[in-house]
Amino acid sequence: DAKTTQPPSMDCAEGRAANLPCNHSTISGNEYVYWYRQIHSQGPQYIIHGLKNNETNEMASLIITEDRKSSTLILPHATLRDTAVYYCIVRVPHWNQGGKLIFGQGTELSVKP
Amino acid sequence: DVKVTQSSRYLVKRTGEKVFLECVQDMDHENMFWYRQDPGLGLRLIYFSYDVKMKEKGDIPEGYSVSREKKERFSLILESASTNQTSMYLCASSSQGAGAFFGQGTRLTVV
Repeated sequence: DAKTTQPPSMDCAEGRAANLPCNHSTISGNEYVYWYRQIHSQGPQYIIHGLKNNETNEMASLIITEDRKSSTLILPHATLRDTAVYYCIVRVPHWNQGGKLIFGQGTELSVKP
Repeated sequence: DVKVTQSSRYLVKRTGEKVFLECVQDMDHENMFWYRQDPGLGLRLIYFSYDVKMKEKGDIPEGYSVSREKKERFSLILESASTNQTSMYLCASSSQGAGAFFGQGTRLTVV
């Protein structure tokens, strides 16, 4: 699975958009980009995933560059409850093809009032 | 909503004991996983299973075994618990290609 690079920490003002970057310059053609977050003392929570098109759901938007070497997770109106560690992971989607879910160190997002 | 339930939130066991951590999911997912999480080391994959009776080693399988006799249940077994297995254990499940859903975790202390 490809390696990802994320900033270790970021701050965001409550109500503003939080834009979390992820670099995955060695991503392969069949690897997807997945985002998870982990709020303190809880298990990780799946947010969104995509291959090459931008994706949006009720939690967030995922923007993937045309060359697929980087992506940005956007929380459009961050709240205090979005304070968490955010993980960007690239992997093939099928576990029986070697697509293990490997977590890096992530970005610690602090949403401030 | 998907539910992944781990049998205990907190557990204290003695060194040398055989420990069973149970995980049940209610969404008919093919894939199930066990991770441990330690400060400074992040989440590390112990074992995973992509079908009943199938298991694959993750990155740190030593000292652990698993059992998946039914699709909804994935058990992690510590054959002889040691103090270096004190950790937060997280179970997850997913369908093929989709995101994984995690349980709340079991904080195991081995004394």
